[in-house]
Amino acid sequence: QQPVQSPQAVILREGEDAVINCSSSKALYSVHWYRQKHGEAPVFLMILLKGGEQKGHEKISASFNEKKQQSSLYLTASQLSYSGTYFCGTRSLVPGGGADGLTFGKGTHLIIQP
Amino acid sequence: EADIYQTPRYLVIGTGKKITLECSQTMGHDKMYWYQQDPGMELHLIHYSYGVNSTEKGDLSSESTVSRIRTEHFPLTLESARPSHTSQYLCASSAKREGWGTEAFFGQGTRLTVV
Repeated sequence: QQPVQSPQAVILREGEDAVINCSSSKALYSVHWYRQKHGEAPVFLMILLKGGEQKGHEKISASFNEKKQQSSLYLTASQLSYSGTYFCGTRSLVPGGGADGLTFGKGTHLIIQP
Repeated sequence: EADIYQTPRYLVIGTGKKITLECSQTMGHDKMYWYQQDPGMELHLIHYSYGVNSTEKGDLSSESTVSRIRTEHFPLTLESARPSHTSQYLCASSAKREGWGTEAFFGQGTRLTVV
C-alpha cells in the first residue's frame, strides 16, 4: 500500500521551517526518507525503524510515531540546497506483503526561495 | 559516494526496437531493484533481485524483463519498445540484511524516450 505524503508542495523562503508528513493505514516495518533533485537520482537521508524513534542530521530530522504508521520529516532554517522532491519509502510489517522493495509516496515538492 | 552506474543516461529510440538498460554496482550488494518514474511523479518498483539467478516482479506491472547472472550486474530489457514505455528508469541496490534496515543506493537513471 502506497503511503500518503502531505503536503504535495511547499514554497518557503530561506531560513523558514518545513514539515513533511508520511502516513500509512497499516503499521510499518520501516520508513526511509529520500531527496531527489530534478534530473538526479534520489539521495538517501535517513531510516527509521523503531516506534517513537527520532533521528536527525544537522538541520534535517525525522520522527516515527509509536504506532509506526506515521513519519514526519522536519527541515529547520531551510537552505537553498534543500530544494527538491522529498519521498518517503515504506516497508510493510505484513509478512510477504508486496514485493520486497520500498513503496514510495507521491513525493513532496519543496521550493526554497532566497 | 554510491558506486552504482546506469547506462545510457538518455536514450531515444524508435517503436519496435529491442533495448537493454544497463545497471552495475561495485559495492557487492546482493539486492538490486528497478524503479520506473515519470517526471515529477513517484517511483514504482518494477523488478527486484535477491542475488544471482533471483528475479521477481515488483508492484507495478511492466513488459520489461531482467536478468541477474552476476552479482554486480542487473540489466533490464524491453523486447519491443513502445511510446508507452517512455519514462525514467532508476536502478538501486542495497546490502543483504534482515528486513529493510539498510539504505538503498540509486543510480543516476536512464531517461528513455520511444518515438
